[in-house]
This record gives sequence, C-alpha cells and structure tokens, in this order.
Amino acid sequence: DAGVIQSPRHEVTEMGQEVTLRCKPISGHNSLFWYRQTMMRGLELLIYFNNNVPIDDSGMPEDRFSAKMPNASFSTLKIQPSEPRDSAVYFCASSKTGELFFGEGSRLTVL
Amino acid sequence: SQQGEEDPQALSIQEGENATMNCSYKTSINNLQWYRQNSGRGLVHLILIRSNEREKHSGRLRVTLDTSKKSSSLLITASRAADTASYFCATDMIYNQGGKLIFGQGTELSVKP
Repeated sequence: DAGVIQSPRHEVTEMGQEVTLRCKPISGHNSLFWYRQTMMRGLELLIYFNNNVPIDDSGMPEDRFSAKMPNASFSTLKIQPSEPRDSAVYFCASSKTGELFFGEGSRLTVL
Repeated sequence: SQQGEEDPQALSIQEGENATMNCSYKTSINNLQWYRQNSGRGLVHLILIRSNEREKHSGRLRVTLDTSKKSSSLLITASRAADTASYFCATDMIYNQGGKLIFGQGTELSVKP
C-alpha cells in the first residue's frame, strides 16, 4: 500500500500567488482530512470529507482557502491569494475505521 | 479550539527508563487516540482506546483512559533512543460526524542513549 500521497512536499511562493496542494488518499478509505501544523497553533483541522462530501469546514480560516474532493482518490486544498501567515505544514490524512493515516505533509512558505 | 492538552510539554529521559505522557480533554468522547510524529514527518497512529475501555496495551505501549476525570495516559516502557518523537493525543468527540479528530499540542519526548 502506497499510503497517503501529498504533493508538493515543499513550496515556496510569494505573497499574493495561488497555491494548490494535492492529496491522494489510501484506496478504500472513505474519509479525508486536511490539517495545518504550526509551532504557534499546533495541529488544526481545516476541513474533512466523508464519501467525497465536505462535512465540516469550520476550521477553514478564511475565504481565501478552499478544498475540493472531485472523486474518492483525489483532493485539493487551494489558497488564493496566499499570505505569509499561511506558512505552515499542511497534512492530508485518510481513514476507514477511525484511525487516521497521514501523508508526509506539504511545507508551504509564503514570502 | 483545543480539546486535548498534553502534559508535560517536553520530557527528557535516559534509554531504558519509562516515559509517561498525560492528556486531558473537555467534552465526552467516542474514543481517544495517540499518535507519534518524528521530526519532519507525518503523524503515525499508535493506539485507539474506546470510551468503554479503561486500559489497552500494544507492545511497549500502555494506554489508560479515565472518562470520569476526562484524562488519558500513554506509558512507553523500556524506552529507546528511537522513541524520540512528539506524541499527540486526539479525541473523537461524542457528537461528531464522521470521525473528526481534534489533536492536542503534543509532548516532545527525548530519549538519550
């Protein structure tokens, strides 16, 4: 099993640019989660999907953030426009029976 | 808002010693889970304990849950240098849909050889 695959692993961009993070969950998992990790705020849940449907997006910080899951094998998290305070590690995780399997994360730096 | 709070924030021990980390939470749960994160890596699931369970073991790991005190502890016995990592508790609150997990701030464990 390949595990949860995230891309890119590292992204450096300038303020105002659009950022798209991608996630491929484990095949057969029906829940997908996007978390953000920073030193100051720890791990924050941004949004999660069940069976490709967004269930709770209350953690999405602003309208600049959006997430989609067009099918069971792909999800994106988009930030437009990006700001320096968005710098963080963004994790995608998938689940079938309650335990989460995390990807290795996408480290975003916004200059 | 944070549901779980770990204690201590950092712990440094010698190889071979036991390490105990605690987690407190605020609202009723379906289950509580512990995860490990090595520096620069994603989180890895260690163990899940359901609200009707009091203790669970997995190898050198022992987890307890006290729902009356809304607290859990993770014990790592006979620690090894390779156990150096951050450890997080995560709670699945009772009114959640779809297994939403809220993580605490973590305990940073350092095991010196």
